[in-house]
Amino acid sequence: GENVEQHPSTLSVQEGDSAVIKCTYSDSASNYFPWYKQELGKRPQLIIDIRSNVGEKKDQRIAVTLNKTAKHFSLHITETQPEDSAVYFCAASGQAGTALIFGKGTTLSVSS
Amino acid sequence: NAGVTQTPKFQVLKTGQSMTLQCAQDMNHNSMYWYRQDPGMGLRLIYYSASEGTTDKGEVPNGYNVSRLNKREFSLRLESAAPSQTSVYFCASIDFNTEAFFGQGTRLTVV
Repeated sequence: GENVEQHPSTLSVQEGDSAVIKCTYSDSASNYFPWYKQELGKRPQLIIDIRSNVGEKKDQRIAVTLNKTAKHFSLHITETQPEDSAVYFCAASGQAGTALIFGKGTTLSVSS
Repeated sequence: NAGVTQTPKFQVLKTGQSMTLQCAQDMNHNSMYWYRQDPGMGLRLIYYSASEGTTDKGEVPNGYNVSRLNKREFSLRLESAAPSQTSVYFCASIDFNTEAFFGQGTRLTVV
């Protein structure tokens, strides 16, 4: 089955800096790659996703890139703010009927 | 439109007791999932149901059973709780390769 590796496990940045979180996946049939943000004590919520027919997607300060050949995808957050502090999860899924598998998460801390 | 409703929010069990976690969604999604979240371990898939009438094991199914009662409801049962099952449990509802909507979570402690 699918296996998703996520790095780093913790990331500390200064406000205004950029943050990059990287994930690799094992199943070449996977074609959907979402990113979730989880604030302390709350449920995970989708922040951005990308499908295999797209190499990059942006939404304001957040961008995701996908390299299908290398089987890795990354989350980029620019101009970080204290409210970006949270746990971020990458995930991957494939054809209908297959599971959505998550990475172990990255705890991002943004200090002002 | 409540989204995904998960009950209970908190539960304390004694070792060997049983319980069922309930999950219901009102978004007409085909797929429903149960995850457990432990510090440093991310969201690990316990069981999922890709469509009504089907269930499949995930990464950590041992000690759990599930029932897809109908399209809306997907329950998770612990037959004989163990301290290793102390965790936060999340139910999620997904339409094929689109956003997963999570319930509020159940914080379970087994003593």
